[in-house]
Amino acid sequence: RKEVEQDPGPFNVPEGATVAFNCTYSNSASQSFFWYRQDCRKEPKLLMSVYSSGNEDGRFTAQLNRASQYISLLIRDSKLSDSATYLCVVNMEAAGNKLTFGGGTRVLVKP
Amino acid sequence: DADVTQTPRNRITKTGKRIMLECSQTKGHDRMYWYRQDPGLGLRLIYYSFDVKDINKGEISDGYSVSRQAQAKFSLSLESAIPNQTALYFCATTGWDTGELFFGEGSRLTVL
Repeated sequence: RKEVEQDPGPFNVPEGATVAFNCTYSNSASQSFFWYRQDCRKEPKLLMSVYSSGNEDGRFTAQLNRASQYISLLIRDSKLSDSATYLCVVNMEAAGNKLTFGGGTRVLVKP
Repeated sequence: DADVTQTPRNRITKTGKRIMLECSQTKGHDRMYWYRQDPGLGLRLIYYSFDVKDINKGEISDGYSVSRQAQAKFSLSLESAIPNQTALYFCATTGWDTGELFFGEGSRLTVL
């Protein structure tokens, strides 16, 4: 089983709709979590960190469920510019801040 | 100018050749990383360094070596390139105050 797993998608989303997807992690010692956004053939960039019970940044909401070992990302009022691959990143500070990436979830927002 | 600069951005080479990918950063961070990305596999860690005297293997270090020449410079070498090393390679750095990784624009390597 991969340490960090994501549904690769693509999630085809009508403009203005809400989309949500999860990322599961296998190591319960994982301590911090992040969502990165990657545009086609570009470098990943931090979208948001996910701490404790989760957080919100504008149209984006990230949640953490430690009991079930997953984090989620919800995008409200989707824009065409939200089309990208969203990478889940899990950090294990006890392992020397080993950062493990999921395979990414591709989102396509269509008019 | 970019905070993290990778050279070359694109390279086509032949099996058996030695290749070096270079990375420099202006963030002043101690921690630097090399990842490779293959379709559907996300980013996989090759090597990482927490300071000039610290080098650590990642999950897929076989066939690669690194050199941390200075705080700002971290190079990745393929001593004898093989076709399954064809991939997109990213260098990254973090100071870990926010947990944010800053990536270079990537180096696309094709081994024929």
